[in-house]
Amino acid sequence: GQQVMQIPQYQHVQEGEDFTTYCNSSTTLSNIQWYKQRPGGHPVFLIQLVKSGEVKKQKRLTFQFGEAKKNSSLHITATQTTDVGTYFCAGQAAGNKLTFGGGTRVLVKP
Amino acid sequence: DTEVTQTPKHLVMGMTNKKSLKCEQHMGHRAMYWYKQKAKKPPELMFVYSYEKLSINESVPSRFSPECPNSSLLNLHLHALQPEDSALYLCASSQIARGDYGYTFGSGTRLTVV
Repeated sequence: GQQVMQIPQYQHVQEGEDFTTYCNSSTTLSNIQWYKQRPGGHPVFLIQLVKSGEVKKQKRLTFQFGEAKKNSSLHITATQTTDVGTYFCAGQAAGNKLTFGGGTRVLVKP
Repeated sequence: DTEVTQTPKHLVMGMTNKKSLKCEQHMGHRAMYWYKQKAKKPPELMFVYSYEKLSINESVPSRFSPECPNSSLLNLHLHALQPEDSALYLCASSQIARGDYGYTFGSGTRLTVV
């Protein structure tokens, strides 16, 4: 079945620094979505990428979808304490369900 | 209204009890989902409803019984659960069944089976 893997599992970041989390699918995806879950909260939709090579930005967050539509990345610049949480990618193959990656748990050191 | 509302927020039940989780949305979404999330793990899909019909059952044990009375409501009936079923149960909705748009999640029901 479809598998989605994310690395790193944990990311300890100094406030103000940048970091990137990576997502890889075992199958070609029709789209990939990113969610953020704060501690004790629920997943909140951030963005969807559909096109091969697509790049989208949301303020300090930059999302990329690979050319082969099997991988994606989330880059956060100038990390803030409000960025704390777990970031999940979730991939969907055509006609299939949305499969979540294992998540990257982000901890910010002030 | 851009929310998915889940009740109750917390539930403690014995292994012989019968209880129900409820989910409601008024965004006109025609796909609704139940997910189960264990601590420090990603959400795992349980059921998908598309246009009020069950379209995906991820081989969930029969002690979990979903129901979609109308396009705004989704229930999950629980019976004879096991302690390992303790988890956060999340309801979500999206615009179309294949989920080509982002899912809106409710805040979840934190279930403890004793």
